[in-house]
Amino acid sequence: AQTVTQSQPEMSVQEAETVTLSCTYDTSESNYYLFWYKQPPSRQMILVIRQEAYKQQNATENRFSVNFQKAAKSFSLKISDSQLGDTAMYFCAFRRDDKIIFGKGTRLHILP
Amino acid sequence: AAGVIQSPRHLIKEKRETATLKCYPIPRHDTVYWYQQGPGQDPQFLISFYEKMQSDKGSIPDRFSAQQFSDYHSELNMSSLELGDSALYFCASSSGPGRWANEKLFFGSGTQLSVL
Repeated sequence: AQTVTQSQPEMSVQEAETVTLSCTYDTSESNYYLFWYKQPPSRQMILVIRQEAYKQQNATENRFSVNFQKAAKSFSLKISDSQLGDTAMYFCAFRRDDKIIFGKGTRLHILP
Repeated sequence: AAGVIQSPRHLIKEKRETATLKCYPIPRHDTVYWYQQGPGQDPQFLISFYEKMQSDKGSIPDRFSAQQFSDYHSELNMSSLELGDSALYFCASSSGPGRWANEKLFFGSGTQLSVL
């Protein structure tokens, strides 16, 4: 069975700093997708970034980038130039076929 | 752009009552997923449908049932409600099932169910 582990329940950083959120997963599959979702206080689930396992190049979306290490089954999210609006719960997620499995989440606070 | 629509946004029920949650996927999306997120918890997969047929099943209680209709909207029916059913229920949609799926899942805003 696949599992997703986020080892940082909560983090705080100053505005404009860079922060990295960790995620590891366990699977025996070779082809899958990985995601980072953001859930602000409104509780809307917002897709931040996605990575296809067969692509070696790390995905980047503006200030958000990932460090995907397939052999190590690691998928960390880096947020550069953090902004107050980045304050949210961040979920790492694994998708194989019709099932998406979420980690427990990391609560990120951006401090002014 | 059209998004996933869920109704109602908020629902308050008494114990042992019945609730029906509705989900309208993004146009041309044929796959629907239901998730349950308790307070401070990660979303838990309940069930998914592709082309009106159940495609996968997660930790959905026997008291719950769901279906996808010909227009691709889906309904989650919850009976004999318990206090522990209080949660945010998300619906998500994508285009195509499983390994042929568009990898993006789009989530609705959720239905907040409170059981008193």
